[in-house]
Amino acid sequence: DTGVSQDPRHKITKRGQNVTFRCDPISEHNRLYWYRQTLGQGPEFLTYFQNEAQLEKSRLLSDRFSAERPKGSFSTLEIQRTEQGDSAMYLCASSNRASGRTDTQYFGPGTRLTVL
Amino acid sequence: QQQVKQSPQSLIVQKGGISIINCAYENTAFDYFPWYQQFPGKGPALLIAIRPDVSEKKEGRFTISFNKSAKQFSLHIMDSQPGDSATYFCAAGGSNYKLTFGKGTLLTVNP
Repeated sequence: DTGVSQDPRHKITKRGQNVTFRCDPISEHNRLYWYRQTLGQGPEFLTYFQNEAQLEKSRLLSDRFSAERPKGSFSTLEIQRTEQGDSAMYLCASSNRASGRTDTQYFGPGTRLTVL
Repeated sequence: QQQVKQSPQSLIVQKGGISIINCAYENTAFDYFPWYQQFPGKGPALLIAIRPDVSEKKEGRFTISFNKSAKQFSLHIMDSQPGDSATYFCAAGGSNYKLTFGKGTLLTVNP
C-alpha cells in the first residue's frame, strides 16, 4: 500500500494524559497536513509542513498541541493534557506540487481519539 | 465564519437517479475546488476537482459544475448506485494550500 498511513487507528485515553499520533505520507510528497474532524463536520485544518518546516498553524492548535516532521518524512502530532473536547478523528494528508497553487491532497485513514 | 456552505445536509435518491450537491464559497482567493467522498471510519478520498478556469469537469458518472460569478459549485452524480452511499464534502483551497471544507452531505441511494 503506497497511500498515506496513520498509526494508531484508534486511541482511547483518560483526560489529562498525553497522546502521540504518527503519519507516514506518500513517498516523496513534500507537503504534509493535519486536519481534525468531529462527528458530523468536515475536516478542519490544523497545520501543515513543507518538507520539515511547519509553515502554518491554525488557531485551533492550542499550546497543548505540537507537531513535528523531522527530516521531512513522517510526522507526529502530540496532544498534551488531553481534554474531552479533543475527542475527534485526526486526519493526515500529503501532496506534492512545486507550484504555488493548492494541490491534490491525499488523506490517510485517520486516528480516532476518544478521551474519557 | 463558515467560508464554504454545503447543501443539502442529507439526500436520498433512488438507484439510477441523479444526486446533486451544492456548495457556495465567500473567499474570492480560492482557486481549487475538490470533492471528497468519505465512508464511515475511513479518511476522505478525492473524487474530482476543478479550477476556476473551466465551468465544468466530468469524470465518469461524476460532474462538477462551477459558476465563478455566483461563487457556487456543485457535484452531480449520474446513475447513482447504492455503492455511492457515503458522505460527500466539498472543499476550497487557495495559495495558502490549506483546504476549507463544507459540513458534508450524507447521500443514501436506495436500491
